[in-house]
Amino acid sequence: GIQVEQSPPDLILQEGANSTLRCNFSDSVNNLQWFHQNPWGQLINLFYIPSGTKQNGRLSATTVATERYSLLYISSSQTTDSGVYFCAVGDDKIIFGKGTRLHILP
Amino acid sequence: SQTIHQWPATLVQPVGSPLSLECTVEGTSNPNLYWYRQAAGRGLQLLFYSVGIGQISSEVPQNLSASRPQDRQFILSSKKLLLSDSGFYLCAWSLRRQGRAFFGQGTRLTVV
Repeated sequence: GIQVEQSPPDLILQEGANSTLRCNFSDSVNNLQWFHQNPWGQLINLFYIPSGTKQNGRLSATTVATERYSLLYISSSQTTDSGVYFCAVGDDKIIFGKGTRLHILP
Repeated sequence: SQTIHQWPATLVQPVGSPLSLECTVEGTSNPNLYWYRQAAGRGLQLLFYSVGIGQISSEVPQNLSASRPQDRQFILSSKKLLLSDSGFYLCAWSLRRQGRAFFGQGTRLTVV
């Protein structure tokens, strides 16, 4: 089955810094999502981005489907950005990466 | 708009007891339904998914089973819980073949 790898596994940054999270996948995909899991465990949809670039405030994402990777950019980090970021791929069977744990220091 | 309900939010069960977690979706028809488990500090493991009533795909052989008695209802069960069944269980739905999943609030299960 398809493999999804995220990097880095952990990231600690000072408030105000920028960050780039990466998601690699082993096979071509038609669908890709980015999620943020908050400290209470809730999974929040950030982007549905099978290809191209999207932006939402301080967050943006780019998927290069032909090269099998996606990037999530967070600019001017805030402490509320802390948590775990997941990418997920699949049509009916949706597989998650292991996530990047982001900790923003005040 | 579509909503997903999952309950209970927390559950403490003794080893060997049965389990039943329920998930329902409102506002859509023929959704794909999913059960994931997250061990402490780790990623989401796909347990079961269903593309229709009576169609259940099991991804990980284990002590759990799933059923879909109605179009928008997905149930996760166990006859006898193990300590290793502890974790955070998440239900999700998506539209057929669109791969855009939306999650419930999750159930924190502790087996003691």
